[in-house]
Amino acid sequence: EVKLVESGGGLVQPGRSLKLSCAASGFSFNDYWMGWVRQAPGKGLEWIGEINQDSSTINYTPSLKDKFTISRDNAQNTLYLQMSKLGSEDTAIYYCARVADDGYGIWFAYWGQGTLVTVSS
Amino acid sequence: EIVLTQSPTTMAASPGEKVTLTCRASSSVSYMHWYQQRSGTSPKLWIYETSKLASGVPNRFSGSGSGTSYSLTINSMETEDAATYYCQQGSSYPPTFGAGTKLELK
Repeated sequence: EVKLVESGGGLVQPGRSLKLSCAASGFSFNDYWMGWVRQAPGKGLEWIGEINQDSSTINYTPSLKDKFTISRDNAQNTLYLQMSKLGSEDTAIYYCARVADDGYGIWFAYWGQGTLVTVSS
Repeated sequence: EIVLTQSPTTMAASPGEKVTLTCRASSSVSYMHWYQQRSGTSPKLWIYETSKLASGVPNRFSGSGSGTSYSLTINSMETEDAATYYCQQGSSYPPTFGAGTKLELK
């Protein structure tokens, strides 16, 4: 069974940094692209970015490219999201997801349960 | 960036009723994918590559469309189908989601 478990969320002050983790199990982690998606309270879904199997390609949504960094540790089956210069607009549930790709585009086949990040003083 | 517009924003359906949700893209996409999100839970892949049902999805669901116009249909509404449904395109970067259709039970 594919399982994705996010951790590291919590209350953080504006301007500070936070690093989220996503522990993967039930599949061969190093065979898949992985990604992050967030959802502000009561709002829709926003793609943050993705990373390929060997970390040689990382894509970000343009508005977050300078604030967020995606990385992975295949030995630990773990995906990371380093967030910096956090503002109230970054308050959201952060989901990690396993990416699927058919050559015509990507979608998100499996999702974690999410971790809530609240940016407030 | 491709903008996805879902309609209606909210709707209510009675058990047994046929339901159709639509998603329109601002530019042509190769496929559309759909997710179901029940209240307080994470999204689940529901339909991928426009018309393929994800594992465990009941066959009363179907997806169709091409180019800029796509739809998700429920043949006969059931209680468990009450949720928010999001469409998503991955043909053009960045991948984008629609704002969702909240489907309620009447």
